Amino acid sequence: RKEVEQDPGPFNVPEGATVAFNCTYSNSASQSFFWYRQDCRKEPKLLMSVYSSGNEDGRFTAQLNRASQYISLLIRDSKLSDSATYLCVVNPPLGSSASKIIFGSGTRLSIRP
Amino acid sequence: DVKVTQSSRYLVKRTGEKVFLECVQDMDHENMFWYRQDPGLGLRLIYFSYDVKMKEKGDIPEGYSVSREKKERFSLILESASTNQTSMYLCASSEVTYEQYFGPGTRLTVT
Repeated sequence: RKEVEQDPGPFNVPEGATVAFNCTYSNSASQSFFWYRQDCRKEPKLLMSVYSSGNEDGRFTAQLNRASQYISLLIRDSKLSDSATYLCVVNPPLGSSASKIIFGSGTRLSIRP
Repeated sequence: DVKVTQSSRYLVKRTGEKVFLECVQDMDHENMFWYRQDPGLGLRLIYFSYDVKMKEKGDIPEGYSVSREKKERFSLILESASTNQTSMYLCASSEVTYEQYFGPGTRLTVT
């Protein structure tokens, strides 16, 4: 099993729809998690952190399910500008080197008018 | 706002040339990273530095070296460029919480 897995997509949804995707991880001791967004031919940008209690930022909600070892990202009322690749990031257990940070390969999202 | 800059957006080099990629961050971050990103392979860590003159190998260090003489600057060196090093190179910096901030990337082509 890969350490971090994401469905590569593409997810092709109409504007205004709600879309969700997951990211599974294998190391149960992983401590913290992030979602990044990467536009075509640009650098990844931090979208939001993922906390045990969940995290909401406007139309975006991130959640962590430690029992099943996955994080999720939900986008409500999707906009054309949400089209991008979404990368999940799994940080290593406390005390581990930052070189153990793992990026998922990304899920491509395309919003159509 | 955190700013991470990279010396070039696009670079074309010949096989066997020595290549320097420079990265500078302005937020006094301890950690700096060099990744390469290839289609279908995602982001792969080349080297990581957690302090001046301190470095750790990542997943794919072969053919690369790094230098961190000052806290704000982290350089990636391709000792003898090869065609399989054609890629997008991304530098990032972070504080201890590991929220990484990326530079705009350098698209390197080795011919």
